[in-house]
Amino acid sequence: KAGVTQTPRYLIKTRGQQVTLSCSPISGHRSVSWYQQTPGQGLQFLFEYFSETQRNKGNFPGRFSGRQFSNSRSEMNVSTLELGDSALYLCASSVDRYTEAFFGQGTRLTVV
Amino acid sequence: DAKTTQPTSMDCAEGRAANLPCNHSTISGNEYVYWYRQIHSQGPQYIIHGLKNNETNEMASLIITEDRKSSTLILPHATLRDTAVYYCIVRDQGKAAGNKLTFGGGTRVLVKP
Repeated sequence: KAGVTQTPRYLIKTRGQQVTLSCSPISGHRSVSWYQQTPGQGLQFLFEYFSETQRNKGNFPGRFSGRQFSNSRSEMNVSTLELGDSALYLCASSVDRYTEAFFGQGTRLTVV
Repeated sequence: DAKTTQPTSMDCAEGRAANLPCNHSTISGNEYVYWYRQIHSQGPQYIIHGLKNNETNEMASLIITEDRKSSTLILPHATLRDTAVYYCIVRDQGKAAGNKLTFGGGTRVLVKP
């Protein structure tokens, strides 16, 4: 069974641009969560999607948004990029909202 | 979610058992203990979870004290590939919390030959 797939793996963007990251969950998984990892703040929860609806949101500004499609694939978008948005963005999927989550390899975003 | 406390780092010898402690003294009745590990620059890897009974799978064993205020993750025969940061997470699996994991600093485990 294929794992969680995140694309792209690496990305370099300029300050002020916007970026879209993609996550394909494990087949049959309907819950997708997103996390940001930085050296200073560690792993922080961004948001969770289930059945195309955002169910939970972390403490991030409105520049961070996401969505989930009917096939459970998810995207997250960051608008007006700042240098501090440079991070490893991780996606995790699970069968439902109450079972163990499995992570992808992440997308490393560098903002210059 | 309840807060967890883990040692910042620990070393262990290859081939020996590695015992990773975690304190979660404020854990409530419906909160599970989860363990993940993260090998450098990779996504976290699920290891094991439990509520109150001890659990074992092909990767590790989880021992939870009777009062549930602490737990120990046991890697029975540590290998160099077990070098990673190990996260102990207490997770409320109630409807409101859903699928949100709150990560702390974890324990940086170095397995030495």
